[in-house]
Amino acid sequence: QVQLQESGPGLVKPSQTLSLTCTVSGGSISSGDFYWTWIRQPAGKRPEWVGRVTISGLTDYNPSLKSRVTISIDTSRNQFSLKMNSVTAADTAVYYCARVARSNTYYYFDYWGQGTLATVSS
Amino acid sequence: DIQMTQSPSSLSATVGDRVTITCRASQGISNYLSWFQQKPGRAPKLLIYSASTLQTGVPPRFSASGSGTDFTLTISRVQPEDFATYYCQQTYNSPLTFGPGTKVDIK
Repeated sequence: QVQLQESGPGLVKPSQTLSLTCTVSGGSISSGDFYWTWIRQPAGKRPEWVGRVTISGLTDYNPSLKSRVTISIDTSRNQFSLKMNSVTAADTAVYYCARVARSNTYYYFDYWGQGTLATVSS
Repeated sequence: DIQMTQSPSSLSATVGDRVTITCRASQGISNYLSWFQQKPGRAPKLLIYSASTLQTGVPPRFSASGSGTDFTLTISRVQPEDFATYYCQQTYNSPLTFGPGTKVDIK
């Protein structure tokens, strides 16, 4: 059973960088035809897709965040990471990592982490 | 960006009721549509992918259909554990987008 666990500071000051890591267990991050993705959800709002990374390190980002976001993967540690710079209070949200199952005919988020609350405040 | 809408935004149901939620995409997305259930303080849980395929382990009282721009999620006989918020998500085009959610609560 694949499990994902987010980790990182729960409190970030405005204008600084939010850094989160997702650790994958129960399977190799490099095996299978999967992508790895970040999603965030402000309190009381719908989820927002942040971006994704392939096992070869190719990325795709939400254009609304692209200038501030970097997603990377470390296959040796079975982890992938999110960095978001120049954060403001609007970036306060629960951040989830998830696995993307994909092929020519399907694309869906099947396993999710439990989420971690990142609060931007001085 | 593809905009996703859902209706209703909320509904009240009694255990055993049949519940139907609709989701509409602002442009055709073929069958690249997922449905998620989310309970307070929990991560979204995948129920349906590819518009109508039940995820492993999800009870068969959940079903879904649709293609193109219009989709539905049906709970045939709602159970106490089904009271939650339901989101649709399109995975046809980047950026991937979610609907605003439908909250199902107890009447």
